[in-house]
Amino acid sequence: GQNIDQPTEMTATEGAIVQINCTYQTSGFNGLFWYQQHAGEAPTFLSYNVLDGLEEKGRFSSFLSRSKGYSYLLLKELQMKDSASYLCAVRDSNYQLIWGAGTKLIIKP
Amino acid sequence: ETGVTQTPRHLVMGMTNKKSLKCEQHLGHNAMYWYKQSAKKPLELMFVYNFKEQTENNSVPSRFSPECPNSSHLFLHLHTLQPEDSALYLCASSQETSGPYEQYFGPGTRLTVT
Repeated sequence: GQNIDQPTEMTATEGAIVQINCTYQTSGFNGLFWYQQHAGEAPTFLSYNVLDGLEEKGRFSSFLSRSKGYSYLLLKELQMKDSASYLCAVRDSNYQLIWGAGTKLIIKP
Repeated sequence: ETGVTQTPRHLVMGMTNKKSLKCEQHLGHNAMYWYKQSAKKPLELMFVYNFKEQTENNSVPSRFSPECPNSSHLFLHLHTLQPEDSALYLCASSQETSGPYEQYFGPGTRLTVT
């Protein structure tokens, strides 16, 4: 079966750095997405990786290793507004998105 | 504002009712999706439409019936639902179903079945 694993919850301090990991086993691979979802709101797109390596976008970076079935989302200079759930999703060989259950990130002052 | 709107935002219905959820996208996209989101579970893809044609139906019970009259509008018709169908129903759209195109989500309809 297809599976996406990410930690259920993480806690970090304002101003710090946090890394959210995602491992996947899917039938084929056509890209990996990270989304942010604030409580009671819709998911919003953060990043897309299809080749190995690091993609940087401001305070957020996303890394992919296809051989290891692994990605991480790195958030720097954490702000209180970064408290949200972070969803990892992989597009399989049929171009269907397989979603993880999300990681709830709690930021403390 | 993501360019995807959904109505109603909240819906309470009995198990014998019939209701419809509406989604509209103003982004000129060709693909539209219905998802179910339950607490602490991954997003569950229900239906996919590409250029108005249904391309995916992930073993969704027949009490959920989608309709896509054009590439900008998507409906989910509901009838004789069960309490376990209570969830957040999210609509999304993307330029296409393949390629590096992210999905844009609407705010969702919070459905409660009593």
